[in-house]
Amino acid sequence: EDQVTQSPEALRLQEGESSSLNCSYTVSGLRGLFWYRQDPGKGPEFLFTLYSAGEEKEKERLKATLTKKESFLHITAPKPEDSATYLCAVQISWYGGSQGNLIFGKGTKLSVKP
Amino acid sequence: EADIYQTPRYLVIGTGKKITLECSQTMGHDKMYWYQQDPGMELHLIHYSYGVNSTEKGDLSSESTVSRIRTEHFPLTLESARPSHTSQYLCASRQGGDSPLHFGNGTRLTVT
Repeated sequence: EDQVTQSPEALRLQEGESSSLNCSYTVSGLRGLFWYRQDPGKGPEFLFTLYSAGEEKEKERLKATLTKKESFLHITAPKPEDSATYLCAVQISWYGGSQGNLIFGKGTKLSVKP
Repeated sequence: EADIYQTPRYLVIGTGKKITLECSQTMGHDKMYWYQQDPGMELHLIHYSYGVNSTEKGDLSSESTVSRIRTEHFPLTLESARPSHTSQYLCASRQGGDSPLHFGNGTRLTVT
């Protein structure tokens, strides 16, 4: 069964304390892995897409990496405004039908204290 | 800014009522989706559409129905609301098969 697992469920950091969030997946064939940020009361906001093992993408204090079994979202010197729930999703096919849809993890709730 | 709009943002309704959750996007995307999200749980796909007059059920069994008469509009209807339908409903769209989803800000539904 295709599955996406995120850890930890919740993470509390002090401002400036770097850390990483994990997204591990067991799927029949990965076509793409997506990271989203979700603020309370809002819909998820797209951050990154990764397509193949070894790929990395950066945006401000965030850096996403991908291996054959998992992805990491590294947060460097986080600020309170980085507090949010971070969601990971995988896609196993680019084509139509149900396999073209995303499989989401439960998310990691990040809190950054000043 | 949001290019995908959901109304209402919040809805409290009694059991047995018929409701329609609205979703519109201005990006001309062919693919549209409805997800259900409960606290601490994964987003579960309940319906999707790959274009006008195309609708499919998702992975999560749902008593709701959808329609896609216009590209930009993808409403979700519950014929008879029940307390088990209490949840957050998120609408999303994307253009190509490998492009990211764009989400609306959701409708939080409470059925009493």
